[in-house]
Amino acid sequence: QKEVEQDPGPLSVPEGAIVSLNCTYSNSAFQYFMWYRQYSRKGPELLMYTYSSGNKEDGRFTAQVDKSSKYISLFIRDSQPSDSATYLCAMSGYSSASKIIFGSGTRLSIRP
Amino acid sequence: GAVVSQHPSWVICKSGTSVKIECRSLDFQATTMFWYRQFPKQSLMLMATSNEGSKATYEQGVEKDKFLINHASLTLSTLTVTSAHPEDSSFYICSAYPMPEDSIGSYNSPLHFGNGTRLTVT
Repeated sequence: QKEVEQDPGPLSVPEGAIVSLNCTYSNSAFQYFMWYRQYSRKGPELLMYTYSSGNKEDGRFTAQVDKSSKYISLFIRDSQPSDSATYLCAMSGYSSASKIIFGSGTRLSIRP
Repeated sequence: GAVVSQHPSWVICKSGTSVKIECRSLDFQATTMFWYRQFPKQSLMLMATSNEGSKATYEQGVEKDKFLINHASLTLSTLTVTSAHPEDSSFYICSAYPMPEDSIGSYNSPLHFGNGTRLTVT
């Protein structure tokens, strides 16, 4: 079993829809949770990061962490064609020596 | 803030030659930088952790004599692919996070990535 599981997609939704992206994990030591967006042939761009459980909102993006279920989500409201990209979840432990573990990424396509 | 610059963005080289990729933190200092490799439609694979002033730590299965890492300053790490072969063709990405502002706990800033280097070995 991988430490971090993420559905690779592809996920295709119409413009304006609410998108839900998810990851599950098995390591209870994970404390930091991140979401990255990666466009084709570019490096990952940090979207959101949270510490421990809870919600965090930034514009059209909301990140949720449920540590009891070992489940994290990224919601995108009012999705736009420019949101079409691969979304990677990532997580790590508390120590700065902890490795960051990435999900495999979900390819998202927003249809105009 | 927290910008990581990577150069070159793409490079084509002949088999047997060496290629150097630079990774710079532009507006912060980084004692640690990370080098990843990414194949098409796959996630990031950590190759090595670059430590300023000391030897890099390589992940299992990564040849340290082939992928030379030098972290000469707090803002620069280089990855040199030596005697490149077509199977080394890939997307290489570096990353870093700013040094903690205080000594309590772990890093308090997430990982930031460069824009990657696409290497093609012919």
